[in-house]
Amino acid sequence: QKEVEQNSGPLSVPEGAIASLNCTYSDRGSQSFFWYRQYSGKSPELIMFIYSNGDKEDGRFTAQLNKASQYVSLLIRDSQPSDSATYLCAVNQGGKLIFGQGTELSVKP
Amino acid sequence: NAGVTQTPKFQVLKTGQSMTLQCAQDMNHNSMYWYRQDPGMGLRLIYYSASEGTTDKGEVPNGYNVSRLNKREFSLRLESAAPSQTSVYFCASSEAPSSHQPQHFGDGTRLSIL
Repeated sequence: QKEVEQNSGPLSVPEGAIASLNCTYSDRGSQSFFWYRQYSGKSPELIMFIYSNGDKEDGRFTAQLNKASQYVSLLIRDSQPSDSATYLCAVNQGGKLIFGQGTELSVKP
Repeated sequence: NAGVTQTPKFQVLKTGQSMTLQCAQDMNHNSMYWYRQDPGMGLRLIYYSASEGTTDKGEVPNGYNVSRLNKREFSLRLESAAPSQTSVYFCASSEAPSSHQPQHFGDGTRLSIL
């Protein structure tokens, strides 16, 4: 079992819809969780982080964390074509980030 | 503010050649990291340096060495390059290795080994 798992996609949504990206992790001791966005040929950029159970909202982005279920998700409201990218889930374990394989999101105009 | 700077951006090597990838950060961060990214594999940690003067192995250290030259610079060396090391290499830094510190990435080095 991979330590951090994501659906590889591609996930395709129409412009204006809600995109839902999911991530599960195996280490129950993990304390912090990060979502990075990576455009093709570019480096990962941090878009959200979450430490506590529940929801955290930042503009059109909402991160959701459920430590009991070892599940973290990212919702993108009012999706735009510019949101088309690969989204990487990362879990901090002992100061090191463990990444999932990424989910490719395509937002169709 | 440059953030994390990696050189070179592209490199082609022949099998058996050696080279050093350079990374420098200007954010006064204590911790630095080297990752490789392969299609469908996500980012995998090669080596990291929690603070100046320390280095530790990550998930995939074989075939690599690192040097934390000072607080700003962290280099990655391939002593005898192999085709399996063809990848995109990212350097990252964070304020500290604690669990709540995000990492900031450089633009990457695209390395091909023939």
